[in-house]
Amino acid sequence: NAGVTQTPKFQVLKTGQSMTLQCAQDMNHNSMYWYRQDPGMGLRLIYYSASEGTTDKGEVPNGYNVSRLNKREFSLRLESAAPSQTSVYFCASGARVGYGYTFGSGTRLTVV
Amino acid sequence: RKEVEQDPGPFNVPEGATVAFNCTYSNSASQSFFWYRQDCRKEPKLLMSVYSSGNEDGRFTAQLNRASQYISLLIRDSKLSDSATYLCVVGYSGSARQLTFGSGTQLTVLP
Repeated sequence: NAGVTQTPKFQVLKTGQSMTLQCAQDMNHNSMYWYRQDPGMGLRLIYYSASEGTTDKGEVPNGYNVSRLNKREFSLRLESAAPSQTSVYFCASGARVGYGYTFGSGTRLTVV
Repeated sequence: RKEVEQDPGPFNVPEGATVAFNCTYSNSASQSFFWYRQDCRKEPKLLMSVYSSGNEDGRFTAQLNRASQYISLLIRDSKLSDSATYLCVVGYSGSARQLTFGSGTQLTVLP
């Protein structure tokens, strides 16, 4: 019972490089989310997908793109990484509002 | 004003102490309430849901006051393993985003 799986767990990028963070859930949840977490800032929503085929911006979408590939998978892409994108990224999925979210274990990204 | 506000702490308490955290939320139409726990360098994990009548899970008691729009978490007989950041979370089914997270309250239980 894997829950929410994120890859990679760690990544170091040079400024200007691109990369995609992968997220997959096996709980048949409709909604999926990408957050970033910085010291003292709490969780900030980057993008979310309420259902397969839809995506919407969250609080801090600039510099990111997403793809809801199917019901299971939701990827986050950094087209041109910047040092300000150094953070811990969490993917989460949820069924209905009354049931909370399940989070992946996170990706620690450093942009140098 | 933030949608969900928490005292960031830190709270430093001795083992065995009772500690309480409060949280306020701004959307009066909110329907679901949770406390999450986040250990250092780990993902947030659901600690407990919060029901209107209040609920208890072992040493943890959660209360909801809809009229005043606040949620509380009480931890009795604190253990070293309770050291973590506690996130207050509020849900509203009218929003596709579903859940809004507070910034968290840091707890350290001292030996």
